[in-house]
Amino acid sequence: GAGVSQSPRYKVAKRGQDVALRCDPISGHVSLFWYQQALGQGPEFLTYFQNEAQLDKSGLPSDRFFAERPEGSVSTLKIQRTQQEDSAVYLCATSVTRNEKLFFGSGTQLSVL
Amino acid sequence: KQEVTQIPAALSVPEGENLVLNCSFTDSAIYNLQWFRQDPGKGLTSLLLIQSSQREQTSGRLNASLDKSSGRSTLYIAASQPGDSATYLCAAHNYGQNFVFGPGTRLSVLP
Repeated sequence: GAGVSQSPRYKVAKRGQDVALRCDPISGHVSLFWYQQALGQGPEFLTYFQNEAQLDKSGLPSDRFFAERPEGSVSTLKIQRTQQEDSAVYLCATSVTRNEKLFFGSGTQLSVL
Repeated sequence: KQEVTQIPAALSVPEGENLVLNCSFTDSAIYNLQWFRQDPGKGLTSLLLIQSSQREQTSGRLNASLDKSSGRSTLYIAASQPGDSATYLCAAHNYGQNFVFGPGTRLSVLP
């Protein structure tokens, strides 16, 4: 596609619910990153994929967070048993390779009540 | 571990002024550094990417400089306009690692 597409744009979840956030990368971009952005702060790294391989998940805050990219294209970030502290904007970014220019989606704003 | 800071946290200027936004990073062995713009409720839009071998990169009214030895980058905006109002973030990148972001500078350009 022309740009990185994320859905849904907004998600409201009750505490304890599971959520799934989707990222459609720019066609041909090998590298895909997930970031978490709290209000008034810069994005914090969560995880990185090269094609379908998850090469770095050091930023995932707990085992309730899980990400996949099974065919090396669309990626899903899943959060199980959501907590209020999970409320944030989740950003997906892609690039041709890991060391090149990043292109971001519009993000998913998650609110956990 | 790479750490990135940005000063000032917020800046308000009258329309037409030239301004400089600052970005500092702790690990000077960066591969490149990228400047982004973020409008409220939106994702990040890339403005400029400057490679470690470059000293400057220009796009329109924007000019980014990089001084690896001092761990600094600056974003210069000429003849600021109200439409430039946004948060500006820098991100430092070491080869084979992840981009590390600063907290951003919130810019308001007053008409």
